[in-house]
Amino acid sequence: AQSVTQLGSHVSVSEGALVLLRCNYSSSVPPYLFWYVQYPNQGLQLLLKYTTGATLVKGINGFEAEFKKSETSFHLTKPSAHMSDAAEYFCAVTYTGKLIFGQGTTLQVKP
Amino acid sequence: GAGVSQSPRYKVAKRGQDVALRCDPISGHVSLFWYQQALGQGPEFLTYFQNEAQLDKSGLPSDRFFAERPEGSVSTLKIQRTQQEDSAVYLCASSSRQGSTDTQYFGPGTRLTVL
Repeated sequence: AQSVTQLGSHVSVSEGALVLLRCNYSSSVPPYLFWYVQYPNQGLQLLLKYTTGATLVKGINGFEAEFKKSETSFHLTKPSAHMSDAAEYFCAVTYTGKLIFGQGTTLQVKP
Repeated sequence: GAGVSQSPRYKVAKRGQDVALRCDPISGHVSLFWYQQALGQGPEFLTYFQNEAQLDKSGLPSDRFFAERPEGSVSTLKIQRTQQEDSAVYLCASSSRQGSTDTQYFGPGTRLTVL
């Protein structure tokens, strides 16, 4: 069965610091992996996705993620945090077309 | 262009009432999904349509939940005899094709509070 684990329900960084949000997956088939961001009272917005090909995926707003099959990981990074990055982040894997989400990580950015 | 829209944005219901939540997907999108997001949790799959056909309803928590998409466009999620545990944000998403790699575009959600 497919599942996603996000390590750390809350991450706090200073503005300008590296952002690292962790995601590990379990999948019985080659996975398709996604990162979504959710701002308060809004729906989810796609940051990036991995399907096939290059394992380093670049997304919007300067985010990127690397698919590591040997570690079953798909961690999200951004070199320099902005105040506007404060939000809830969800990692997800697809299974028969539907998305299986992790519990989410709240990113706090301190001035 | 217009994204996925949902109405109402907020709904308060008394326990035992029936509610209907509407989703307008992006025009021309074949696939439509409903998810339930409890407070502090990730969204959980409820049901999936390809055009008007409901292909997967494995996530519906009970027979009080019913979804339809009669003309392959607008969808309605109906909850009968609401219970407090139904309080959540209900998210609708659509994608242009059927496939695991397709991006799902989400609406803003309907926040349901059952008193």
